[in-house]
Amino acid sequence: ELKVEQNPLFLSMQEGKNYTIYCNYSTTSDRLYWYRQDPGKSLESLFVLLSNGAVKQEGRLMASLDTKARLSTLHITAAVHDLSATYFCAVDGGVSGTYKYIFGTGTRLKVLA
Amino acid sequence: KAGVTQTPRYLIKTRGQQVTLSCSPISGHRSVSWYQQTPGQGLQFLFEYFSETQRNKGNFPGRFSGRQFSNSRSEMNVSTLELGDSALYLCASSHTGSRGYEQYFGPGTRLTVT
Repeated sequence: ELKVEQNPLFLSMQEGKNYTIYCNYSTTSDRLYWYRQDPGKSLESLFVLLSNGAVKQEGRLMASLDTKARLSTLHITAAVHDLSATYFCAVDGGVSGTYKYIFGTGTRLKVLA
Repeated sequence: KAGVTQTPRYLIKTRGQQVTLSCSPISGHRSVSWYQQTPGQGLQFLFEYFSETQRNKGNFPGRFSGRQFSNSRSEMNVSTLELGDSALYLCASSHTGSRGYEQYFGPGTRLTVT
C-alpha cells in the first residue's frame, strides 16, 4: 500500500530565509504533485513532476523529484509572508492512466514578517 | 474556463441521515475523484470515476458511494451519517486517462454531522 510521509508538519520561518519541505513515499511512482491550500480554501496546483530528476521552479518555490530515492523536495527561497499556507505533496497510486492521489500529511508554513 | 463546482458548499445533517453531494467537473474533463479532508486523517482518497465507471476506490466503508453521469457530473452519497463523517469533501477533475495530468480541485462541501 502506497504511503506518503511529509515533513516537517509545521514550519515557522522568518522572511528572507530558505527552507526545504520533504516528501517521501513508499512504492515506485513517477507521478508526484505539489499543492497549496490557504485556510478555508481548496487546493491549488503548484507543480507536476513526472520523471526522475524533474525540477520545476515558480517564483520562490522549486520542486524536484528523485524516483530512485522515492523523495521529492519543495525548496523555498527567501520566504515572504504571502507564502504562508499549507503545502501538500501527492503521489498518484493509480495505474494505467487512472487517478488515485495519496496525499502527505501537509506542511503548515508560517512566514513571519 | 469555469473551474470545478461543488454544491452545496455547506451542509448540516443529523446522525443517521443520508446526504448527497454534487460535483461538476471542468468542461472536457471526464475523470472525477472525491477526497475527504479532516484535521485528524488529512486528505484521503474516496473514489475515482471515468465515463460513468468507478476505476479506483479508497478504504472507506460501503456507506460512501458515488456515481457519474453521462455529462461527467458526479455525485457522492453518504448513508447513515456518523459524527466522524464531518469533513470537507473535495471533488477533483482531470483530463481523460492521460498519464500525469494534475487534478483540479473544487471549493469543497463542508459537511457537519450533529
